[in-house]
Amino acid sequence: AQTVTQSQPEMSVQEAETVTLSCTYDTSESDYYLFWYKQPPSRQMILVIRQEAYKQQNATENRFSVNFQKAAKSFSLKISDSQLGDAAMYFCAYRSGGGAGGTSYGKLTFGQGTILTVHP
Amino acid sequence: ETGVTQTPRHLVMGMTNKKSLKCEQHLGHNAMYWYKQSAKKPLELMFVYNFKEQTENNSVPSRFSPECPNSSHLFLHLHTLQPEDSALYLCASSQDLGGGADTQYFGPGTRLTVL
Repeated sequence: AQTVTQSQPEMSVQEAETVTLSCTYDTSESDYYLFWYKQPPSRQMILVIRQEAYKQQNATENRFSVNFQKAAKSFSLKISDSQLGDAAMYFCAYRSGGGAGGTSYGKLTFGQGTILTVHP
Repeated sequence: ETGVTQTPRHLVMGMTNKKSLKCEQHLGHNAMYWYKQSAKKPLELMFVYNFKEQTENNSVPSRFSPECPNSSHLFLHLHTLQPEDSALYLCASSQDLGGGADTQYFGPGTRLTVL
C-alpha cells in the first residue's frame, strides 16, 4: 500500500519570503500522480499543484513550484513571495496512475498535513 | 468556488439520532467520494461511487450508510454513531475513475459532533 508522510506538522514564514513544505511517499508503482492541496480555515480543500511521475520537469503554478525527486520519493512544495492568504493546512497526496499493478480507481492517499502560518 | 456543496455545514447529534449528510456537485462529474477528516490524522477515504455504483467501501462501519441516487448527489446516512465519529466529513467529485491526473474537487465539509 502507498503511504504519504509529511514530517512538518507546522511551518511558519514571513510575508514575501519563501518556504518549502516537505513530503515523502512510498510506492512500488512507476505510474502515479502527486498533488498538493490547500485547506484554508474556511475548510474548502483546493488543488494547488500536481505532478505526473513520468515527467521529469517540476510543475509550477505561479508562486507555487515543486521539487520532485522520483528516486528519493520526495515531493516538496515551494511557495515564493508568501502572502497572508497562503496561510492554511497543506496536504500532499498520492494517486495511482491506474496502470499495470496499480489501482484503477481514483483513490487519493493523503499525508498528515502541514499547518502554514504567514506572519506579516 | 469548486462547484461542490455540502449541507449541513455543522451538525450536532446524539448517539441515538439518525441524520443525513448531503453532497451535490454541479460540475458534471461521474465519480463522488466521502472522506473523513479527524484531528491530527490524514484524510481517510470512506466510499467511492462511479456512475452511481459503489466501487469502494474502505472498511467503514455499517452505522455509516452511503447513498448515490444519481451522479450529482451523494448522501451519507448516519445512525447510532459514537463520539469518536466526530470529525469533518468531506465530499469530493471527479470526472471519472479513469486514473491519470483526474482532479478531485472538494466541498466545504460538514463538521459533525456526536454527543
